Amino acid sequence: NAGVTQTPKFQVLKTGQSMTLQCAQDMNHNSMYWYRQDPGMGLRLIYYSASEGTTDKGEVPNGYNVSRLNKREFSLRLESAAPSQTSVYFCASSGGLNQPQHFGDGTRLSIL
Amino acid sequence: RKEVEQDPGPFNVPEGATVAFNCTYSNSASQSFFWYRQDCRKEPKLLMSVYSSGNEDGRFTAQLNRASQYISLLIRDSKLSDSATYLCVVSPGTYKYIFGTGTRLKVLA
Repeated sequence: NAGVTQTPKFQVLKTGQSMTLQCAQDMNHNSMYWYRQDPGMGLRLIYYSASEGTTDKGEVPNGYNVSRLNKREFSLRLESAAPSQTSVYFCASSGGLNQPQHFGDGTRLSIL
Repeated sequence: RKEVEQDPGPFNVPEGATVAFNCTYSNSASQSFFWYRQDCRKEPKLLMSVYSSGNEDGRFTAQLNRASQYISLLIRDSKLSDSATYLCVVSPGTYKYIFGTGTRLKVLA
């Protein structure tokens, strides 16, 4: 059971470079999410997609864009990476309102 | 005031001990509640949902107190493998989930 799959697992970028983090789920979930986690802080929501075809901003959307490619896939793009975006990024999915989320194993991103 | 607050710990307990964590939330309209476990900055893993009547899963018991706006997690007969950070998660019934910063538990041999 794959669940939620994120790629890549690790990435180092230079300031100003762009990249896309990929996320796919095989649980037929409607909702998908991108979070970042920094030391001493809880998970902070970047963007979410309540259902295929919709995306909404979370708590910290600046510097990021997302695409809900289809029901399975939800990607996160950094157009011009900044050192402040160094973090661990988690993708999650859920079956809907009031349902628990299931997480991918994260992407560790360092921006120099 | 943070929307979801947890004591960061660490809680250091001997093997076999019983330990309890609380988590307070500020939004009285919150509808769903969860406990997750996170190991060393790996992904959070669902431990259990928290139901209004309270629920138990093996050594773990979760309670919800709506009047005082907190949820609790009780771990009985602690194992070394229970050492982790426990995250409280609250949802107001929208598509958003609010995470606490976690309570760190260390079970000592």
